[in-house]
Amino acid sequence: SYELTQPPSVSVSPGQTARITCSGDALPKKYAYWYQQKSGQAPVLVIYEDSKRPSGIPERFSGSRSGTMATLTISGAQVEDEADYYCYSTDSSGAPNYVFGSGTKVTVL
Amino acid sequence: QVRLVESGGGLVKPGGSLRLSCAASGFSFSDYYMKWIRQAPGKGLEWVSYISTTTGYTNYADSVKGRFTISRDNARSSLYLQMNSLRAEDTAVYYCARGYCAGDCYPDSWGQGTLVTVSS
Repeated sequence: SYELTQPPSVSVSPGQTARITCSGDALPKKYAYWYQQKSGQAPVLVIYEDSKRPSGIPERFSGSRSGTMATLTISGAQVEDEADYYCYSTDSSGAPNYVFGSGTKVTVL
Repeated sequence: QVRLVESGGGLVKPGGSLRLSCAASGFSFSDYYMKWIRQAPGKGLEWVSYISTTTGYTNYADSVKGRFTISRDNARSSLYLQMNSLRAEDTAVYYCARGYCAGDCYPDSWGQGTLVTVSS
């Protein structure tokens, strides 16, 4: 089955830049999406179609994709950005097989 | 404003059944794919199932295929998940999510979830 691989954790100091990677064999052909999940809350979409921000998402969140890797960047991380982040995409087979990455815990301290 | 409210979770014994519901409001329900996504305690997100708009096309994760059935009632703006032959590994928070489909199909709004616990 298709898998998206993320690092388990990323630590960043307030005001610094955090980068979270997501690797998958189908990413050269498929968009990546990113979700933020704070403790005890439902996930929230923060990036769609690799690099687009939904309304209400701060500009410090940005995304990119190159080859088999997608990256979520938090520029000038804030304490309130501490959360789990999940990438989401699909494989390139016939019937879409949607998967989430394993998740990355971002700690801001 | 999109609102999704899940209900029907609870404690069930292994081998038992449960039916989850999701009440949608704030958007034209019949125009959107709908999804169920779950999260086991302390674990990551797992896509469970989705259903198309009016044709009712469905798809399931291998882990639930043959045991779970997704359905929708567009007149009631409601989504359902019938879960049979439940196992301990089905214990999770189950989220209802709206699927935005334009080429890809991704969840763009989520409910707060309902907890399903499978235990004897």
